[in-house]
Amino acid sequence: GIQVEQSPPDLILQEGANSTLRCNFSDSVNNLQWFHQNPWGQLINLFYIPSGTKQNGRLSATTVATERYSLLYISSSQTTDSGVYFCAADYGGSQGNLIFGKGTKLSVKP
Amino acid sequence: NAGVTQTPKFQVLKTGQSMTLQCAQDMNHNSMYWYRQDPGMGLRLIYYSASEGTTDKGEVPNGYNVSRLNKREFSLRLESAAPSQTSVYFCASSERQGSRYTFGSGTRLTVV
Repeated sequence: GIQVEQSPPDLILQEGANSTLRCNFSDSVNNLQWFHQNPWGQLINLFYIPSGTKQNGRLSATTVATERYSLLYISSSQTTDSGVYFCAADYGGSQGNLIFGKGTKLSVKP
Repeated sequence: NAGVTQTPKFQVLKTGQSMTLQCAQDMNHNSMYWYRQDPGMGLRLIYYSASEGTTDKGEVPNGYNVSRLNKREFSLRLESAAPSQTSVYFCASSERQGSRYTFGSGTRLTVV
């Protein structure tokens, strides 16, 4: 079946450090979205990125659709970046719904 | 602009009881979704509504029913709750299928 795999599963950083989270998907996708789930459980949409690169402040994302992966970059991490980061792939077809990876749990220490 | 609003935020049910989770969006989105989130499982789609008047099963629909009441509202009903339905439930919406999702704040449901 369709797979969305994220790595690493867990990541601990010191405040100010940079990090790269990876998302691999098993088939060609219509779009790819990145979400941040904060410690209170809220899911925030960070990027809608079917291909190419987008930036939003200290965060940026790149999707290379032909090679079936996406990367989320976090620069100068802050404690408020802690939480779980999910990528989700839309494979289109009759449903066109998102399939989520299991997430990367990020802890940023002061 | 409230986005996607879910009620209630917390609920405890006894096995066999029924309840309805409510979801409303004010972004004039056509598509709405119900997901459940369990530890280590990520988010899994229960049901979705591509547009007003249509609903379809997702990955884990057993034990649930849905109603797309109008363009704004999409409810999820548990007819006879089971402990396996203990989870956090999220509603989401998007302008159309395949566009950017916005999630509600979730409902934490415990079935005892």
